[in-house]
Amino acid sequence: GESVGLHLPTLSVQEGDNSIINCAYSNSASDYFIWYKQESGKGPQFIIDIRSNMDKRQGQRVTVLLNKTVKHLSLQIAATQPGDSAVYFCAEKAGGTSYGKLTFGQGTILTVHP
Amino acid sequence: DTEVTQTPKHLVMGMTNKKSLKCEQHMGHRAMYWYKQKAKKPPELMFVYSYEKLSINESVPSRFSPECPNSSLLNLHLHALQPEDSALYLCASSQALFRGLETQYFGPGTRLLVL
Repeated sequence: GESVGLHLPTLSVQEGDNSIINCAYSNSASDYFIWYKQESGKGPQFIIDIRSNMDKRQGQRVTVLLNKTVKHLSLQIAATQPGDSAVYFCAEKAGGTSYGKLTFGQGTILTVHP
Repeated sequence: DTEVTQTPKHLVMGMTNKKSLKCEQHMGHRAMYWYKQKAKKPPELMFVYSYEKLSINESVPSRFSPECPNSSLLNLHLHALQPEDSALYLCASSQALFRGLETQYFGPGTRLLVL
């Protein structure tokens, strides 16, 4: 079936470095993508989203890149801080009959060392 | 304000108990969702409500019974659960299901333990 997956399950970086978290998706009908951050014991927190008619979107210290040719999504975090340590999930939404359903990737654990 | 609240934070119940999880949002959102998340796994969709009507049921066992009494509230009634139902139950809401309004915001979850 269709799936959203991540290349790396864990990522360790030093404080101040830039972090890149990758996500592969296989559903070419997906038209909306979201990145969530989930800290231990908390619910997923919205970070940034992007539509399929865009290839880049920037927020505060975060940038999402979408490459529809290779079905690849990435989250870039600039000047990573210890507070960025969490599990990061990408999620996709397909249009049509799947409306309302988000399919999540497996998650990447980001650890930021002071 | 993008706050979704859930009560209780923690719940321990026996397999013969009946309990309910509650979710509330005051953002005027008209779509609400229940997800189940096992440890070290991504959230899995259970139910979607749109304008207080059940829109999606992801083949969830009948021991889970959702209810949307009004546009701000979403309940999940639990009865005769199994130990494997122990998980974090997440509620989310979005403005609607329509394109451009579908960003989902999550609550903190209810951690459920079934003994």
